Formats: sequence, structure tokens, C-alpha cells
Amino acid sequence: TQLLEQSPQFLSIQEGENLTVYCNSSSVFSSLQWYRQEPGEGPVLLVTVVTGGEVKKLKRLTFQFGDARKDSSLHITAAQPGDTGLYLCASNAGGTSYGKLTFGQGTILTVHP
Amino acid sequence: DTEVTQTPKHLVMGMTNKKSLKCEQHMGHRAMYWYKQKAKKPPELMFVYSYEKLSINESVPSRFSPECPNSSLLNLHLHALQPEDSALYLCASSQVLWTGYNEQFFGPGTRLTVL
Repeated sequence: TQLLEQSPQFLSIQEGENLTVYCNSSSVFSSLQWYRQEPGEGPVLLVTVVTGGEVKKLKRLTFQFGDARKDSSLHITAAQPGDTGLYLCASNAGGTSYGKLTFGQGTILTVHP
Repeated sequence: DTEVTQTPKHLVMGMTNKKSLKCEQHMGHRAMYWYKQKAKKPPELMFVYSYEKLSINESVPSRFSPECPNSSLLNLHLHALQPEDSALYLCASSQVLWTGYNEQFFGPGTRLTVL
């Protein structure tokens, strides 16, 4: 079973600061997804990265996929209180466990006004 | 329509009650999922349905009974639950089960409290 190590576990910052969340594995990802979950809601898919070295941008969010496809990062520029939530990376387990998403442990982000 | 809906939003039940959670999607997705999520933790997979057939059961206790009446609906029947079953129950769907991406779309969840 592929394990996803996500860091940091908690992040508390002031509005306007930048931050980066990391997701790493000892195995190669076939693809990797990032989700954001606001309190009391379900996770929302932000992006899927597939190609090694890929960079995708979603407004103030920048997602990178490592060249070896073993790591990914999420960078938020000028964080806002609306960015507060649980950020999860996830990857398809594959093989006989196809259909199962393996999640990282999550990063709880709090952005203070 | 790119939405997964879940009812009810909140549910409080006693340990002897029988209740059901409902999930619906109209995106034409043929894979549907039930997850259990504890506070500040990632979702834990419970069941996966593919083309209305149970594909994965993650050794979930029999007090949880899933049902997929058709390609748009997914139910989770609850009976004789324990207080430790209190959690957020999430439904999700994806186009089909066997894809490299498995992008899943989640509903808002049902907050279940077992007294």
C-alpha cells in the first residue's frame, strides 16, 4: 500500500503570508490529487497532476509535481482567511486496490485576519 | 449538474434505532463511494460500488449496510450503531472505477451523532 506523507500537519499564519504544503511517497505516483475541505463540508477537488515536473496554477495556488513523480507541493501566495481548511493530497492505490484513494494525513491551515 | 447531494445534513440516533443516509448524483458517474471521517483526519473508505455492484468492502461492521438502487443513488443503512460510530459520513462519485486518475467528487456529508 502506497503511503503518503503530508507536512506540515498544522499551519497557522496571518493573512497575506505565503505557505507551502508537501506530499511525499517512497513509491511513484501514477497521478496525484489535491483536495480542500472547509469545516462542515466535503472535500473539493482542486487539481490533478499527472506528468513529472508539471506545474499547475489555480489563482493564488500553485501545484508542483516532482520530476520523479514521488512528491508534490501546494504553494499558496498571499493567504486569505477563506483559504482556511483541511488540505489533503490523495493518490489512486492501483493494482488490486484500484478505485481506492490513499490520502495523506492532511494539513490543517488557519489563516488569521 | 456537477453536484453530489446527501441527506440528511445532520442525524442524531440512539443505539437501538434504524436510520438511512442517502446520496444522489446526476453526473452519469458509475462509481460511488461511502467514507467515514473523524474530526481533523482524512476520510476512511468504507464501501465502493461500480456499476451498481459492490466492488470494495473495507471490512466494515455489519451494522452498516450499503445499497445502490440505481446508478444515481447510494444509501447507507444504519442499525444498532455505537457511540464511536459518530462521525461525518461522506459520499463520493467518480466517472468509472478503473481510471488512472480516479477523481472523486464529494458530497457535503452527513454529521452523525450516536447517543
